[in-house]
Amino acid sequence: EVQLVESGGGLVQPGRSLRLSCAASGFSFDDYAMHWVRQTPGKGLEWVSGISWNSDTIDYADSVKGRFTISRDNAKNSLHLQMNSLRNEDTALYYCAKDRGGVATFNGFDIWGQGTMVTVSS
Amino acid sequence: DIQMTQSPSSLSASVGDRVTITCQASQDISKFLNWYQQKPGKAPKLLIYDASNLETGVPSRFSGSGSGTDFTFTISSLQPEDIATYFCQQYDYLPVFGQGTKLAIK
Repeated sequence: EVQLVESGGGLVQPGRSLRLSCAASGFSFDDYAMHWVRQTPGKGLEWVSGISWNSDTIDYADSVKGRFTISRDNAKNSLHLQMNSLRNEDTALYYCAKDRGGVATFNGFDIWGQGTMVTVSS
Repeated sequence: DIQMTQSPSSLSASVGDRVTITCQASQDISKFLNWYQQKPGKAPKLLIYDASNLETGVPSRFSGSGSGTDFTFTISSLQPEDIATYFCQQYDYLPVFGQGTKLAIK
């Protein structure tokens, strides 16, 4: 069964850090780009960051650039998101998502995890 | 940055109705557009990729069309299980989602 399972969310104070992880199974993890996408009730869905299969290409949304770092470990079928200098507006449900694959480096998301909630509040 | 304008933000229709949602890109994105369905408490599900290709296992009542800046998502005959929020998403450059359309049964 193809599966993505996120972990690491929680309540954190503004300015602090948090590290999210995603465990992948059921597909050839090292064949696909991977992403983090977040969702808030007020702002809908927002792509946060993506990483190519070999980590050569990494991109971030402007809203997190310089504060978040995406990484992957193909040997362990895992994806990570290091979130530093967290702000109240980073509060969201964070999804790990598998890239569909295709002609572009980042093509869209065909497999999603269940999400892990991050709440930034003092 | 490419902006995606999705409309309407909500709509109400009857079972059996034809439902149409539109998405407009702020610049030409060719056919680099996907459509997702999200039911309450669940993760989004990919329905349509590359503007008009049906994802495996998705019922044929769902379809997509368009290219360039203007795209349409259609449900040919609305079913009760189609109640959800639908999002478009472009990937001509970095992924960007539309604001979503919340679909309700009349």
